[in-house]
Amino acid sequence: GENVEQHPSTLSVQEGDSAVIKCTYSDSASNYFPWYKQELGKRPQLIIDIRSNVGEKKDQRIAVTLNKTAKHFSLHITETQPEDSAVYFCAASRPSGSARQLTFGSGTQLTVLP
Amino acid sequence: NAGVTQTPKFRILKIGQSMTLQCTQDMNHNYMYWYRQDPGMGLKLIYYSVGAGITDKGEVPNGYNVSRSTTEDFPLRLELAAPSQTSVYFCASREPGQGYNEQFFGPGTRLTVL
Repeated sequence: GENVEQHPSTLSVQEGDSAVIKCTYSDSASNYFPWYKQELGKRPQLIIDIRSNVGEKKDQRIAVTLNKTAKHFSLHITETQPEDSAVYFCAASRPSGSARQLTFGSGTQLTVLP
Repeated sequence: NAGVTQTPKFRILKIGQSMTLQCTQDMNHNYMYWYRQDPGMGLKLIYYSVGAGITDKGEVPNGYNVSRSTTEDFPLRLELAAPSQTSVYFCASREPGQGYNEQFFGPGTRLTVL
């Protein structure tokens, strides 16, 4: 089955700096890669996603890049703010089957220091 | 819409006890999922359902059972609770279709087995 590895497990940045979180996946058939943000004690919420037919997607201060050949994708947050502090999870899924099961990475605890 | 709701929010069980975690969604989503999240880890899929009367195992189904008698409800049953089942449990749902639709998560149930 699919295996998703995520790095780093913790990341501290100064407010205003950029943060980059990287994930690799094992199943070359995976074609959908969402990113979720989970604040302490809260539910995961989708912040951005990318499909395999696209190399990059941007939404304001958040961007995701995908390298299908290398089987890795990254989350980029620019101009970080204290409210960006949270755990971020990457995920991957393959098209086979109708349920679109997600395999999650182990998460990155991002701390934005004021 | 209330979205995805879960009850209870917290529960402490003794080893060998059983319980049912409730999950309800009011978005008329066909697809529903149960995940567990261990401390410092990502979410692992326990069971999923693509519609009323249809369920299937995920990555970590042992020790759990599910049913799906209605579109709205997807309860998770723990039989003979074990300390290894101490975790936070999230239910999620999404619209059917191409598979690129967001999974919406419930607020979670924090379960401790002593």
